[in-house]
Amino acid sequence: GAGVSQTPSNKVTEKGKYVELRCDPISGHTALYWYRQSLGQGPEFLIYFQGTGAADDSGLPNDRFFAVRPEGSVSTLKIQRTERGDSAVYLCASSFEQGYGYTFGSGTRLTVV
Amino acid sequence: AQSVAQPEDQVNVAEGNPLTVKCTYSVSGNPYLFWYVQYPNRGLQFLLKYITGDNLVKGSYGFEAEFNKSQTSFHLKKPSALVSDSALYFCAAYTGGFKTIFGAGTRLFVKA
Repeated sequence: GAGVSQTPSNKVTEKGKYVELRCDPISGHTALYWYRQSLGQGPEFLIYFQGTGAADDSGLPNDRFFAVRPEGSVSTLKIQRTERGDSAVYLCASSFEQGYGYTFGSGTRLTVV
Repeated sequence: AQSVAQPEDQVNVAEGNPLTVKCTYSVSGNPYLFWYVQYPNRGLQFLLKYITGDNLVKGSYGFEAEFNKSQTSFHLKKPSALVSDSALYFCAAYTGGFKTIFGAGTRLFVKA
């Protein structure tokens, strides 16, 4: 597509529930990134995919967070047993290769109540 | 630890005046440096980047940034601000590896 698409744009869930956030990157972009942006903060790195594999998942805060990119295109960020502290905007970005400017999606605003 | 600092939470400037949004970095090696802009309810948009070469980099919407290696700074500038420039601006550094580090952001407010 023309840009990075993220769905849903907003997600409200109850504490303890499971959520999935989807990212559809720009066609041909092999690098895909997930970032989390809390209110008043800059984006915080979560995970990076090169193709189908997670090349760096050092930013995932704990084992409740997991992400996949099975066919090297669409990626899904999965959060188990959500907590109120998980509330944030989750941003996805893609790029042609590392070191180039990213193209970001509009983000998914997750609210855990 | 590697970091990017934006010392001002907010910058206020009158329309037509020049603007500067400050950024300093503390990273190893020779980083690639970026500026992004974020409008309300929108994703971050790439403005410009410095990789090597001329220290003055020109980007989108009339913005430019000046790289200063000795001061480890990469300040964003525009000669004449517009009200429509009001947004949240993020400085970022890529140091190799797999991640880009972002600053906390500076809110620019341009008054008519």
